[in-house]
Amino acid sequence: DAGVIQSPRHEVTEMGQEVTLRCKPISGHDYLFWYRQTMMRGLELLIYFNNNVPIDDSGMPEDRFSAKMPNASFSTLKIQPSEPRDSAVYFCASSLLGDDGYTFGSGTRLTVV
Amino acid sequence: GNSVTQMEGPVTLSEEAFLTINCTYTATGYPSLFWYVQYPGEGLQLLLKATKADDKGSNKGFEATYRKETTSFHLEKGSVQVSDSAVYFCALSAFTGGGNKLTFGTGTQLKVEL
Repeated sequence: DAGVIQSPRHEVTEMGQEVTLRCKPISGHDYLFWYRQTMMRGLELLIYFNNNVPIDDSGMPEDRFSAKMPNASFSTLKIQPSEPRDSAVYFCASSLLGDDGYTFGSGTRLTVV
Repeated sequence: GNSVTQMEGPVTLSEEAFLTINCTYTATGYPSLFWYVQYPGEGLQLLLKATKADDKGSNKGFEATYRKETTSFHLEKGSVQVSDSAVYFCALSAFTGGGNKLTFGTGTQLKVEL
C-alpha cells in the first residue's frame, strides 16, 4: 500500500487566493482526519470523517475553511480566501477504526504571502 | 474533557544514554494510549500503543507501560542513537459523542548527539 497520499507537498500562494489541499486515504480505512501543525499551536484537529460523512468540524477555524469527502478514496481541504496566518503544515490521516492508530500522510506545507 | 500532558523539550542526550519522556493523561472511561514519532519533514508515524491497563507497548527498542493508577504512559529507551532524534507525541483515544478520535500532547523534541 502506498500509504496516505497528500498533494501538493508544498504550496506557495498569495493572500486572498483559493487553496485546495488533497488527500487519498489508505484503501479500506473508514476514518479520515485533517490536522494543522504550527510552531505556535502545535497539532490541531480540524475535521474528521467517518464513512465519508463529517463527524466533527469543531476545529475548523473559520468559514474560510471547508472540507469535503465525495468518496471513500478522496478528500479536499479548501481555504478561500487564504491569509498569511493560514501558513502551516496540513496533514491528512486515515484509520481503519477510530482508535486503532492513524496513518499520516507526509503533509502539505502551505505558505501564504 | 480528554487531555495529554508531555514534558517540555527539547531533551538533549548523548548517544547510548537512557531516555525517558513523561506523559500523563486525563480521560473518562478507558482510553487507548499511543506514542507517535515525527522525523524532520515527515508526517507522524505510530511508534507503539497500549489498549488497556498494565499493557506494555514496544517497538524499535522503545517501551511504554499503561499505568492506570498514575494515569501515565512514559516513553523509555535504554540506549538512544543519533537516528532517534525526532519529535515524540503522546496521544490517547477515547470514545466521545462524535466517535473515536486521538487527542495529542504538544510533542517533545529529542536531540541525540555523538
